[in-house]
Amino acid sequence: GDSVTQMEGPVTLSEEAFLTINCTYTATGYPSLFWYVQYPGEGLQLLLKATKADDKGSNKGFEATYRKETTSFHLEKGSVQVSDSAVYFCALVNQAGTALIFGKGTTLSVSS
Amino acid sequence: GAGVSQSPRYKVAKRGQDVALRCDPISGHVSLFWYQQALGQGPEFLTYFQNEAQLDKSGLPSDRFFAERPEGSVSTLKIQRTQQEDSAVYLCASSLRGAPSYEQYFGPGTRLTVT
Repeated sequence: GDSVTQMEGPVTLSEEAFLTINCTYTATGYPSLFWYVQYPGEGLQLLLKATKADDKGSNKGFEATYRKETTSFHLEKGSVQVSDSAVYFCALVNQAGTALIFGKGTTLSVSS
Repeated sequence: GAGVSQSPRYKVAKRGQDVALRCDPISGHVSLFWYQQALGQGPEFLTYFQNEAQLDKSGLPSDRFFAERPEGSVSTLKIQRTQQEDSAVYLCASSLRGAPSYEQYFGPGTRLTVT
């Protein structure tokens, strides 16, 4: 079945460091891919998405490129801030097209 | 405007009790989803409504779980005879259109603890 695998955290970085959070998926076909973020004390919110191969999603300085050859959708940011500290979830649309399938989440902690 | 709201935010139930969790989606949103999130895990799909129709309930873990959305807006997730393994955060999400590829807006969740 469809599934998402994320790198385990926590990821601890200093402010202005480069961030990569790895995400790979297993799916039939080419589903839409997402990154959701959960800030402390808040609900899940969409960070970025890509709907087809080679698409690049971007938002708030974060980027992710849909790579069908490697079935990956890694999240990157060139210079993280303390305010980026949160839990990040990679997700895809299931084969039935009725729900999101999430990875386990990666906790990012950025210190000044 | 108002986002997705859920109530109660916290619920403690004794094993064997029935509970009802409420979700108020964003007004006008066609799709509504329920997810279960265990501690340290990602959300797992439970069920999906398009308006009042429950189009997918394949994620409901047992027949003790039941969801409804009778008028196509507010939804209730009911768990009968709660068990300890039901302890989790239950998330509700809504989407303007009829497919999850559209942005889903999540509520704050209801944390259920079964003792």
